[in-house]
Amino acid sequence: NAGVTQTPKFRILKIGQSMTLQCTQDMNHNYMYWYRQDPGMGLKLIYYSVGAGITDKGEVPNGYNVSRSTTEDFPLRLELAAPSQTSVYFCASSYSGNPGPNQPQHFGDGTRLSIL
Amino acid sequence: DQQVKQNSPSLSVQEGRISILNCDYTNSMFDYFLWYKKYPAEGPTFLISISSIKDKNEDGRFTVFLNKSAKHLSLHIVPSQPGDSAVYFCAASAYSGNEKLTFGTGTRLTIIP
Repeated sequence: NAGVTQTPKFRILKIGQSMTLQCTQDMNHNYMYWYRQDPGMGLKLIYYSVGAGITDKGEVPNGYNVSRSTTEDFPLRLELAAPSQTSVYFCASSYSGNPGPNQPQHFGDGTRLSIL
Repeated sequence: DQQVKQNSPSLSVQEGRISILNCDYTNSMFDYFLWYKKYPAEGPTFLISISSIKDKNEDGRFTVFLNKSAKHLSLHIVPSQPGDSAVYFCAASAYSGNEKLTFGTGTRLTIIP
């Protein structure tokens, strides 16, 4: 059981370039999330989705876009990469929105992104 | 505004002793709290959680205590083992249908053999 898979694991971008961070889950979870973690900081929610075709902004959505065309996939797109977007990005999924004891968010191993 | 605070960036504990990790929150709407553990180059993994209707939840070597009046929770690990060396994140949610978690900045726990 793969869980949440993120690709790529590492990427270096030049300022102004664009890229898509891929995230797929095989647990048939309805809810999916994108977080970023800056050094010495906690995870901050970028976008989330409660199901296919439905997305909503989190705490730090500026500079990012998402789509959710299937239950399994939740890609995160950076259109014009900026140095402030250098971070580690985590994708997560959960069965429902209520974080009950049997329904925690499951995380991928992250994508380390550097913008130079 | 940091709504979930972990004021100790790091903690070192001898193997076999108790590890106590602390977390404070400011938002009185939070009513569900979770601890996640993170190893280097991996994503966070869920460890234990507690609802605001309880003041203690235990799972093996891990116990979480919640003091609602002080807006404080703590994670106790007894006995501490070398494999417990990791970064621990406290997270909080307004449980009633709110799918967003607010994370603390983490505490790096090092278990000394």
